[in-house]
Amino acid sequence: GAGVSQSPSNKVTEKGKDVELRCDPISGHTALYWYRQSLGQGLEFLIYFQGNSAPDKSGLPSDRFSAERTGGSVSTLTIQRTQQEDSAVYLCASSLFDYGATEAFFGQGTRLTVV
Amino acid sequence: QKEVEQNSGPLSVPEGAIASLNCTYSDRGSQSFFWYRQYSGKSPELIMFIYSNGDKEDGRFTAQLNKASQYVSLLIRDSQPSDSATYLCAVRDYGNNRLAFGKGNQVVVIP
Repeated sequence: GAGVSQSPSNKVTEKGKDVELRCDPISGHTALYWYRQSLGQGLEFLIYFQGNSAPDKSGLPSDRFSAERTGGSVSTLTIQRTQQEDSAVYLCASSLFDYGATEAFFGQGTRLTVV
Repeated sequence: QKEVEQNSGPLSVPEGAIASLNCTYSDRGSQSFFWYRQYSGKSPELIMFIYSNGDKEDGRFTAQLNKASQYVSLLIRDSQPSDSATYLCAVRDYGNNRLAFGKGNQVVVIP
């Protein structure tokens, strides 16, 4: 596709349920990032994938959060046993791998609401 | 200290004036610096990047980098109502390539 695609665009779930958020990066982009943005806040780093390297998971807030990236392309962020504090917009971004000034392109995000 | 800090509150500027935004970062290993603009309810989009000390100009935007003092700034000249948005500073280092963002500064341009 032309840009980073995320699905669903909106998700309402009950507390305690598991959710899966999907990100389809720009074709050819080897770097993929997940961020979380709460209302009025900046972007909180969650996880970073680069090619076949081990992902940088240092931003995941708890062991309820996990992510995978299959075939170096599509990524899924899974939140188990969702809590109300998980409500936020989850943003995915991708970029060409470059130790420099490489732009990261963002998807439109998934707005998660835990009720 | 947070990795990337943007401490100023909302900034209101009259149309045609200069808006000035500042950002400081904690990691001296940081190499690339980005300014993103985010309209309400939208995703961030890149305005400028800079990686050398000094100024970089692109249209009405100028990014300034001072690695010794660990700050990067953004100037918006001839501010327009369409510039009203939140501006996010982002920093990347060569070590892990992770892109860290500040909290953002809201800019309101008053016609």
